[in-house]
Amino acid sequence: NAGVTQTPKFRVLKTGQSMTLLCAQDMNHEYMYWYRQDPGMGLRLIHYSVGEGTTAKGEVPDGYNVSRLKKQNFLLGLESAAPSQTSVYFCASSYSPGLSDTEAFFGQGTRLTVV
Amino acid sequence: GNSVTQMEGPVTLSEEAFLTINCTYTATGYPSLFWYVQYPGEGLQLLLKATKADDKGSNKGFEATYRKETTSFHLEKGSVQVSDSAVYFCALSASGTYKYIFGTGTRLKVLA
Repeated sequence: NAGVTQTPKFRVLKTGQSMTLLCAQDMNHEYMYWYRQDPGMGLRLIHYSVGEGTTAKGEVPDGYNVSRLKKQNFLLGLESAAPSQTSVYFCASSYSPGLSDTEAFFGQGTRLTVV
Repeated sequence: GNSVTQMEGPVTLSEEAFLTINCTYTATGYPSLFWYVQYPGEGLQLLLKATKADDKGSNKGFEATYRKETTSFHLEKGSVQVSDSAVYFCALSASGTYKYIFGTGTRLKVLA
């Protein structure tokens, strides 16, 4: 059981380049999330999805786009990378947050550096 | 809005010392509360959770009690080990929402 898998694990981009981070989960979870982790800031929610074909903005959505074409996949796109997007990105999934005691399951993270 | 506040780190302790990491929250309704741990270079793993007032979550010697009257969920361990060195995150999931709200994290370093 792989859980939540993120690809790639590391990436260096030049300013202005684009890229897509892929998140895949094999737990049949409805809810998926993208967070970024920065020193002293904790985890901040970028975008999330409550089901296949749906997406919504989180706390820090600017400069990112997402898609959830398949239930098991949640893609995070950077159209024109900026140095401020240097961060560690985490994907998470959950069965049913807020309605029960279900927790979020996290991927291993993607360390992105924009130079 | 919903929020989580946890004590700033880093916290440095000697092996076998007692650990407390404070966490307080603001939320409407009755949130579920979680502690996650992040070891170096890894993702977050659930450490323990509690879903209603006075519940105690426990795992690997760590404990936290859901205190509604003080809106707190402090993490404790009676005797820390070097292997407990990590970053600890307090989080909540509020009823009626789809999101998890995290604190800023507290780095723990345990010295042999």
